[in-house]
Amino acid sequence: QSALTQPASVSGSPGQSITISCAGTSSDIGRYNLVSWYQQHPGKAPKLMIYEVDKRPSGVSNRFSASKSANTASLTISGLQAEDEGDYYCCSYATNNLVFGGGTKLTVL
Amino acid sequence: EVQLVESGGGLVKPGGSLRLSCAASGLTFTNVWMSWVRQAPGKGLEWVGRIQPITDGVTKDFGAPVRGRFTISRDDSKNTLYLQMDSLKSEDTAVYYCTTYGVVGVGAFAVWGQGTMVTVSS
Repeated sequence: QSALTQPASVSGSPGQSITISCAGTSSDIGRYNLVSWYQQHPGKAPKLMIYEVDKRPSGVSNRFSASKSANTASLTISGLQAEDEGDYYCCSYATNNLVFGGGTKLTVL
Repeated sequence: EVQLVESGGGLVKPGGSLRLSCAASGLTFTNVWMSWVRQAPGKGLEWVGRIQPITDGVTKDFGAPVRGRFTISRDDSKNTLYLQMDSLKSEDTAVYYCTTYGVVGVGAFAVWGQGTMVTVSS
């Protein structure tokens, strides 16, 4: 099972919005509404930000939103803040398997 | 508060074995699917495997890179998850995270431990 495809890096200024894409296939993202997104700061464990495509866990800011279309999922962060800087990973279920994206480094300028 | 604490990491030679442990607290461990996720130095996340609770038959699934070499078990009496790693290769060098699976939503890793480092090198 190949990794999902994410851009290596994105950047934005405070207050702006950015979107990170996550491209999969008809065997993973396209087949299941089981996409999740994780934020990771340097030296820390990842944190769940989105599950089941577009749901936010309790405590996650509503500045984080997500969606899916066909074989591609997207994470949007609005009102960028300095604390949003870090690495972001998408993940999808794929029949007794889970596959992650390669990760996207978000820089807040 | 749910807490997961991994232990057992270290340096091991290629071809060797290592067992990682993950002590869980703050949750009804018996009912929870659990998983291991790893991250090689400077690289992305990679799913290692998962184990169902006893009520679902303790079924296990593994990612292709570790299938046949790694196994997962659980001791519900001790609230502890294990990862037995055999025939280790240099490419298994990574931080290994213990996670809950499916506690928040389906197919998501909601709670993570701090990770334990495994280095495979001669």
